[in-house]
Amino acid sequence: GENVEQHPSTLSVQEGDSAVIKCTYSDSASNYFPWYKQELGKRPQLIIDIRSNVGEKKDQRIAVTLNKTAKHFSLHITETQPEDSAVYFCAASKGSGNTGKLIFGQGTTLQVKP
Amino acid sequence: NAGVTQTPKFQVLKTGQSMTLQCAQDMNHNSMYWYRQDPGMGLRLIYYSASEGTTDKGEVPNGYNVSRLNKREFSLRLESAAPSQTSVYFCASSAQTAANEKLFFGSGTQLSVL
Repeated sequence: GENVEQHPSTLSVQEGDSAVIKCTYSDSASNYFPWYKQELGKRPQLIIDIRSNVGEKKDQRIAVTLNKTAKHFSLHITETQPEDSAVYFCAASKGSGNTGKLIFGQGTTLQVKP
Repeated sequence: NAGVTQTPKFQVLKTGQSMTLQCAQDMNHNSMYWYRQDPGMGLRLIYYSASEGTTDKGEVPNGYNVSRLNKREFSLRLESAAPSQTSVYFCASSAQTAANEKLFFGSGTQLSVL
């Protein structure tokens, strides 16, 4: 089955710097790659997603890139702010009715220092 | 519009006891899921239900059973709790259409098995 590896497990940056989190997946049939943010004590929430027919997607300060050949995708956060501090999870799934059957990475704890 | 509601929020069990976690969504979503979250291991899929009347195993189904009672409700049962089942449990739902694959999570149940 699908396996998703996420790195790094923890990341500390200064406010205003950029942060990059990387994920690799094993199943070449996967074609949907969302990112979820979980603040301390809260539920995970979707922040951005990308499909396999797109190489990059951007939404204000966050962007996701996908390299299908290498089977990896990355989350980029620019101009980080203290409210970006949270745990970020990448995930992967196949389409055709299985899009909700997400396999998640292990998570990255991002700390943005003021 | 409450979204995804799960109960209870906290539970302490003794080894061998049974319990049922309840989950309901009011968004008319077809698909519902149960995940467990453990430190350093991300969110792991226990069971999912792609539509009313169907259920399937996820990554870690052993020791659990589920029931899709109707379109709104999806319950998770631990027949004989074990300390290894100490975790935070999240229910989630999604419309699971090609245009909308976002997972909506409940607020979580913190379960301790002594």
